[in-house]
Amino acid sequence: QVQLKETGPGLVQPTQTLSITCTISGFSLTSYYMQWVRQTPGKGLEWMGFIRSGGSTEYNSEFKPRLSISRDTSKNQVFLKMNSLKTEDTGVYYCARVGATTFDYWGQGVRVTVSS
Amino acid sequence: DVVLTQSPATLSVTPGERISLSCRASESVDTYLHWYQQKPNESPRLLIKYASQSISGISSRFSGSGSGTDFTLIINGVELEDLSIYYCQQGNSLPWTFGGGTKLELK
Repeated sequence: QVQLKETGPGLVQPTQTLSITCTISGFSLTSYYMQWVRQTPGKGLEWMGFIRSGGSTEYNSEFKPRLSISRDTSKNQVFLKMNSLKTEDTGVYYCARVGATTFDYWGQGVRVTVSS
Repeated sequence: DVVLTQSPATLSVTPGERISLSCRASESVDTYLHWYQQKPNESPRLLIKYASQSISGISSRFSGSGSGTDFTLIINGVELEDLSIYYCQQGNSLPWTFGGGTKLELK
């Protein structure tokens, strides 16, 4: 069955870089877009960006200057890297599969706190 | 960016009630409007896609309607397990956006 699981640090210092890995099973990254969504106390659910089945990416302009999404299809993994973290970036980060324009499967999320 | 406004922000419900949740878009999203349910400490779950299409495994209590800028999620016979936050999301134009959510609570 389809499964997604995020792993990453729980605590990141301000100005540092956040790195999260999403490991998938039950489907192929070359057949589906994969995206990152975050949920923060200040702004709720926000779509951050996706990586297409062919490997190209699209980012929300809100995050574009500091966000990078990549993947390793041989390891069934998708990666999020976001630099210059601020306290407002505190929240839960989810990877999700894109089914057409829906988010049809989600990981359990990783809670990230940005604090010194 | 398309702004989705959900109302009410909170709805107090009685089990067995039929309720309607609203999602209004700042511009037309055609029927590229999807609904999600999020229970405490869980990830969102897709409930309805393309405004009115059902999802396999989701109770038939949930239905959706609308097109353009006005959408409705209906729960026919609310059950205690439905006490959650409900979000709409548009997939018509990037960046994909979410509404602020409607929280169902027990009256």
